[in-house]
Order: sequence, then structure tokens, then C-alpha cells
Amino acid sequence: QSVLTQPPSTSETPGQRVTISCSGSSSNIGSNSVYWYRQLPGTAPKLLIYRNNQRPSGVPDRFSGAKSGTSASLAISGLRSEDEADYFCAAWDDSLSVVVFGGGTKLTVL
Amino acid sequence: QVQLQESGPRLVKPSQTLSLTCTVSGGSISGFYWSWIRQPPGKGLEWIGYVYYSGSTTYNPSLKRRVTISLDRPKNQFSLNLSSVTAADTALYYCAKGETNSWLDPWGQGTLVTVSS
Repeated sequence: QSVLTQPPSTSETPGQRVTISCSGSSSNIGSNSVYWYRQLPGTAPKLLIYRNNQRPSGVPDRFSGAKSGTSASLAISGLRSEDEADYFCAAWDDSLSVVVFGGGTKLTVL
Repeated sequence: QVQLQESGPRLVKPSQTLSLTCTVSGGSISGFYWSWIRQPPGKGLEWIGYVYYSGSTTYNPSLKRRVTISLDRPKNQFSLNLSSVTAADTALYYCAKGETNSWLDPWGQGTLVTVSS
């Protein structure tokens, strides 16, 4: 059971928009920045969003992050087949003194 | 650009110590958090801990009794030691550079460590 809660899976057709949620608590998302990572099959996770809504250089603006209270979300617009991957949210937890990850959401592009 | 590469034994016997090294190339160790994360096959990510460039460490409380993370500045490396391993420690182990404790970028490619007799 992960401290941050994500839906296990989601799917959408190419060109559409999908949103992945990440629910936490006051000790993690509620008081710290949220980070999003993408893990393509058979590869290491890669940073997608930092500090809730900032994109590293090289990440297209199809990807956007948002945070409100104790929840965060990742939106992907203009879906492409290469977006099929596992997506993880992460944050520092002040109570547990650990970096907590969501369980991951497997995105399927139909 | 910074690149990280994990190295170490891929097979460890139960009750022994798992030891991995992460070599940092293309940049200095100074000024960052150097982290270890693991992922059991087919499962999610678990943060193990980090060593700050000053040498101070923070560990996951669930592993703290068994974990040591250290820096080797001259070699631009940092290491993970996990003692008294069991089959539950079988996982892909990743090292990562941290701008902060949760801002992890980039990651190494990962190395699968299997605990088995």
C-alpha cells in the first residue's frame, strides 16, 4: 500500500488528453513539492515534472502538472503511442521522513 | 551532462551484505543529494536513502538498521551497503542525482540484484 495513491491504470486514444491523479496527505503533498516520473518499459524512471508544475528542458509542453491541497495531477495532451509507460508521483513526507512514491499508473494508448 | 552507472554483484546470498557502487560521470558530486531507490520486479518504487555532498545521510526508517550510504569524492562515486539481506531485497536498484531529496534527475540504468542461495 503506497502512501501516495494513484489509479493503477488508465487508457486513452491517440490525440486525446489524459489526467493521472495522485492523492496524499498534509504531511506530503500538502506541504511539499510533487514530482512526476515516467518509466518506459524496461528503462529507468525519468523526471517529467518538478516542483509541482515545472518541466525540465526537453520535456514537451504536452505534459503539465498541477497541485491543489493534498492532491496532484499530471495531464498529457495530444497522446502518442510512445507515451505508453508507467507514471509515478513522488514527494517528501515530513511525518515519515522519507521520499514517498505513488504506486504508479500504467498508461495504455489504445 | 551527468550520467550515473550502477555496478556490483548481481547475486547475493541470504544474510549477506548487498554492496553497490554508483559512478558519476560528466559532473561533480558537490552540491547535490545522491540517492538510492529500488524496485522489486513488477512493483513500485521504494526510496532507500541519500547521502548529501557534505557526507550527511538520511535513510528510509524501514531500512535504516541495515543501510549505509557513503561518498567517495576522489572517485566521484557513492555506494550502498544493505546488510542481512533476504529474498525480499531482490529488486532493481537505481542510483540517482538529487537537486533536492525528491527531485531525482538523472537516474542510472538500474541493476537487478537477486538474493538467493
